[in-house]
Amino acid sequence: AQTVTQSQPEMSVQEAETVTLSCTYDTSESDYYLFWYKQPPSRQMILVIRQEAYKQQNATENRFSVNFQKAAKSFSLKISDSQLGDAAMYFCAYGDGGSEKLVFGKGTKLTVNP
Amino acid sequence: NAGVTQTPKFQVLKTGQSMTLQCAQDMNHEYMSWYRQDPGMGLRLIHYSVGAGITDQGEVPNGYNVSRSTTEDFPLRLLSAAPSQTSVYFCASSRGEDSGANVLTFGAGSRLTVL
Repeated sequence: AQTVTQSQPEMSVQEAETVTLSCTYDTSESDYYLFWYKQPPSRQMILVIRQEAYKQQNATENRFSVNFQKAAKSFSLKISDSQLGDAAMYFCAYGDGGSEKLVFGKGTKLTVNP
Repeated sequence: NAGVTQTPKFQVLKTGQSMTLQCAQDMNHEYMSWYRQDPGMGLRLIHYSVGAGITDQGEVPNGYNVSRSTTEDFPLRLLSAAPSQTSVYFCASSRGEDSGANVLTFGAGSRLTVL
């Protein structure tokens, strides 16, 4: 079964600085997708970024970018110019190609200090 | 466009009581699913459906029933609530195209406490 591991239960960053959240996964599939979801205190799950395994180029969405290392099965999220509104739980998730089912990591709580 | 609507947002039950968490989506999504979120555990898949009339079990299905009589609705039933079912429940949907792993749209969550 596929697994997703987030080794950092908590992280903190100063406003305007850069922080990287780690995620590793285990799969024997070649076709899959990886996601980062943000969960602010409102509890709403918000998609941050999505990466298709067959694409070598790392996905980017404004201040959010990923470092996708397929051979190492690593999928880290970099947040640049951190803002107070970035404070949230961040979940890494994995989905097999052809399936809508996602496997989530346990999450990393990000604190942004003013 | 309402997206995914879950009701109720909060519920307190006594052990042994039954209840249904409602989930409705207005995006004509084929795929719908239920997850539970527990502290330190992330989100775990309970049940899912790839279309009306089709349901299947996820990672943690015990104690829960689902049905999918329409494309729009996917209720989650607790037949005899237990304290271990205290959790936050999320309904999610996606287009469910053949390409797979489409983006899930989540509801706002339902916090359930079983005493």
